[in-house]
Amino acid sequence: EAEVAQSPRYKITEKSQAVAFWCDPISGHATLYWYRQILGQGPELLVQFQDESVVDDSQLPKDRFSAERLKGVDSTLKIQPAELGDSAMYLCASSPGFLEGRDTQYFGPGTRLTVL
Amino acid sequence: KQEVTQIPAALSVPEGENLVLNCSFTDSAIYNLQWFRQDPGKGLTSLLLIQSSQREQTSGRLNASLDKSSGRSTLYIAASQPGDSATYLCAVPQGAQKLVFGQGTRLTINP
Repeated sequence: EAEVAQSPRYKITEKSQAVAFWCDPISGHATLYWYRQILGQGPELLVQFQDESVVDDSQLPKDRFSAERLKGVDSTLKIQPAELGDSAMYLCASSPGFLEGRDTQYFGPGTRLTVL
Repeated sequence: KQEVTQIPAALSVPEGENLVLNCSFTDSAIYNLQWFRQDPGKGLTSLLLIQSSQREQTSGRLNASLDKSSGRSTLYIAASQPGDSATYLCAVPQGAQKLVFGQGTRLTINP
């Protein structure tokens, strides 16, 4: 069964360092999402791509976060510089993208970030 | 702006009991509602997706209902098992598929 892949699974970094997360969606899925989940809360969308274009990045802290999906396939989320409050689980999801608002989203295993 | 609330935040029950988890949402103009399971430190696993035209969806011991007009959904778990212990999240799409999640219910099934 096809799955969303993410790496690394765990990342520990010091404040002010740069970190990057990678996501490979299910093959053929046009829509890719990055969510952030703080411990004890539900995930919140950071950025949504349709193919290589950003659809929604309204909640992305653009002074320190950046995301790209250059060829419309895999994606990278970067934080520079990392802050203590960035400690969270970063989840990637993908969906076929054919049925706006009605597609099932499939989630990867996540990257657990700890900023010291 | 869509808001999703889940009650209770945590629930602990003995093995074998039937239980209900609740989810409410403020904007009833939704395409669907999805229930997820999350084990500690792991990603999300989709359990059930109910389309707006449906009232119920069943998978094994799980049954999810949707009442759009009242802005409510319930997840019913029959004959609970210790392996059901996890956090259960509900989510609805807002705009172009952005999912809005509740804060989750942390379920513990005691042997």
